[in-house]
Amino acid sequence: ETAVFQTPNYHVTQVGNEVSFNCKQTLGHDTMYWYKQDSKKLLKIMFSYNNKQLIVNETVPRRFSPQSSDKAHLNLRIKSVEPEDSAVYLCASSPAGGFNERLFFGHGTKLSVL
Amino acid sequence: AQSVTQPDARVTVSEGASLQLRCKYSSSVTPYLFWYVQYPRQGLQLLLKYYSGDPVVQGVNGFEAEFSKSNSSFHLRKASVHWSDSAVYFCAVSMPSSGQKLVFGQGTILKVYL
Repeated sequence: ETAVFQTPNYHVTQVGNEVSFNCKQTLGHDTMYWYKQDSKKLLKIMFSYNNKQLIVNETVPRRFSPQSSDKAHLNLRIKSVEPEDSAVYLCASSPAGGFNERLFFGHGTKLSVL
Repeated sequence: AQSVTQPDARVTVSEGASLQLRCKYSSSVTPYLFWYVQYPRQGLQLLLKYYSGDPVVQGVNGFEAEFSKSNSSFHLRKASVHWSDSAVYFCAVSMPSSGQKLVFGQGTILKVYL
């Protein structure tokens, strides 16, 4: 049963536009993440937020910025999209962000940049 | 830094056959090990995880994995696959020193034919 909700499911846009993706978790977890999954299915962590504080920023381009209003929400904004930003963006959460915890994933937002 | 390799990009088996998906990790100490599965157009779901104890760990849907310290491996197995097991399978590792950073392998695409 899904407890990490992402919107939209798909988004098509042109180079240079700004996009924003939403993520909400109803599990009461303290930590949320954004992962990027490329066309070859490779998964890379982008950001991690623990109770509204940024914990990990994997040197992603500065046009990417996470936005969190509370620990249940973690949005992702891309200021000026580039073709290489085409990917599936997966949001996830975990109880406290410990290294031994399982992650709960949303279904992803697929971004296509024309 | 830890890393994980899944040497088989694609595996094809017939329904009812046994399955092994390979995973090798590189780490100076034993990391926390996970197997996740991603069904089409869905997020990742945890199959099983391991850190210590019995090297054979049971997961959901009849999956199990065997840890080998000498081989630095954590292979996933299933005695009899079903067509619904067709998905992408990811091995992942994390360590206390890496905090909340879960590192994923490249994934193995499993196709089960009738």
